[in-house]
Amino acid sequence: GENVEQHPSTLSVQEGDSAVIKCTYSDSASNYFPWYKQELGKRPQLIIDIRSNVGEKKDQRIAVTLNKTAKHFSLHITETQPEDSAVYFCAASPFVGSSNTGKLIFGQGTTLQVKP
Amino acid sequence: GAGVSQSPRYKVAKRGQDVALRCDPISGHVSLFWYQQALGQGPEFLTYFQNEAQLDKSGLPSDRFFAERPEGSVSTLKIQRTQQEDSAVYLCASSSLLAGGDTGELFFGEGSRLTVL
Repeated sequence: GENVEQHPSTLSVQEGDSAVIKCTYSDSASNYFPWYKQELGKRPQLIIDIRSNVGEKKDQRIAVTLNKTAKHFSLHITETQPEDSAVYFCAASPFVGSSNTGKLIFGQGTTLQVKP
Repeated sequence: GAGVSQSPRYKVAKRGQDVALRCDPISGHVSLFWYQQALGQGPEFLTYFQNEAQLDKSGLPSDRFFAERPEGSVSTLKIQRTQQEDSAVYLCASSSLLAGGDTGELFFGEGSRLTVL
């Protein structure tokens, strides 16, 4: 089955700097890769996602890159702000049969701290 | 409703008690998922429904865990004879189906925090 590894487990940056979180996955059949932000005691919320037919996607200060050959994908946050501080999870969704069920396999999470 | 609603938000159970956790998905969402999130960990898949059909229950940790969605809307996760290792946040998520059958974005509820003493 699918296995997702996420690094680093903690990341501390100064406000305005960039932050990069990396994930690797094992199942080459996975074709959907979302990133979730979870604040303490809150629900995970989707911040960006990418499907395997594209290599990069950007939304304002957030971007995700995907390397299918190497089976890794990364989250890039530029111009970080204190409100970006949270736990970030990557996930992979295996493609089963003719469609993707949406079942997500999550990484272990990265605690991002943005210092003012 | 506006989002995925879960109840209770907090549940304290004595070891050996049975608990039932409820999930109200977003209206019209075909797919419903249950995840277990231990403290400091990522969510772990438990089970998946498409309408009333439970299509994948491979993540349920033991036969003490049971989930149902009898009318294809509200779902209940039941844990029998709770153990301390069951203490976690139980997250429910729902999604629609995209054209072609792929699942759209998963929307999570706030979770039910279970503490087993």
